[in-house]
Amino acid sequence: QVQLQESGPGLVKPSQTLSLTCTVSGGSISSDSYYWSWIRQPAGKGLEWIGRIYTSSTNYNPSLKSRVTISVDTSKNQFSLKLSSVTAADTAVYYCARVITVTTSWYMDVWGKGTTVTVSS
Amino acid sequence: SSELTQDPAVSVALGQTVRITCQGDSLRSFYASWYQQKPGQAPVLVMYGKNNRPSGIPDRFSGSSSGNTASLTITGSQAEDEADYYCNSRDSSGNLLVFGGGTKLTVL
Repeated sequence: QVQLQESGPGLVKPSQTLSLTCTVSGGSISSDSYYWSWIRQPAGKGLEWIGRIYTSSTNYNPSLKSRVTISVDTSKNQFSLKLSSVTAADTAVYYCARVITVTTSWYMDVWGKGTTVTVSS
Repeated sequence: SSELTQDPAVSVALGQTVRITCQGDSLRSFYASWYQQKPGQAPVLVMYGKNNRPSGIPDRFSGSSSGNTASLTITGSQAEDEADYYCNSRDSSGNLLVFGGGTKLTVL
């Protein structure tokens, strides 16, 4: 059974870069059947899709595109998120998820438990 | 449009049927998926595709779609169904994903 686990600093200073890693266990991140995605949720608010990666191909939320980089490390079975120039508005719970893609539907069937990142000096 | 619109809150009496809707132009081309989120927990996939439930999701959950509207129906709502529900779909370009704003379901 595939499991995902987010990891990274829980506190980031304003203007710095937020870096998180998602470790995939119980399956290979190299499988061409899946995309891998990051989602975030500010406290008390809804879910926001950040972006996804498939092999080395990426797509990002237009509202974050200028600051986001998602990459994959197949040797470690991990994928990562970098968000630059963070502000307090980037404070949120960050989730990683596996995306299944079918012609008319993409859906996230496995999620990590989430990690809280606070942007504060 | 890349937006999905949900009612912020819906309530249902215990044992009754409730429909949670999601509207957006992209739903004319792509199916929505639905996620249940309880406080302090990660979202859980409860419906995807035309009307598909992941293993372990009760059959009181069903999905449908018509035009620009996708619906998640709970037939015989239980207390444990009280949660936030989010729809999600590809955007009109087909390359991105977008979430609805979420619906808080209260079971009375």
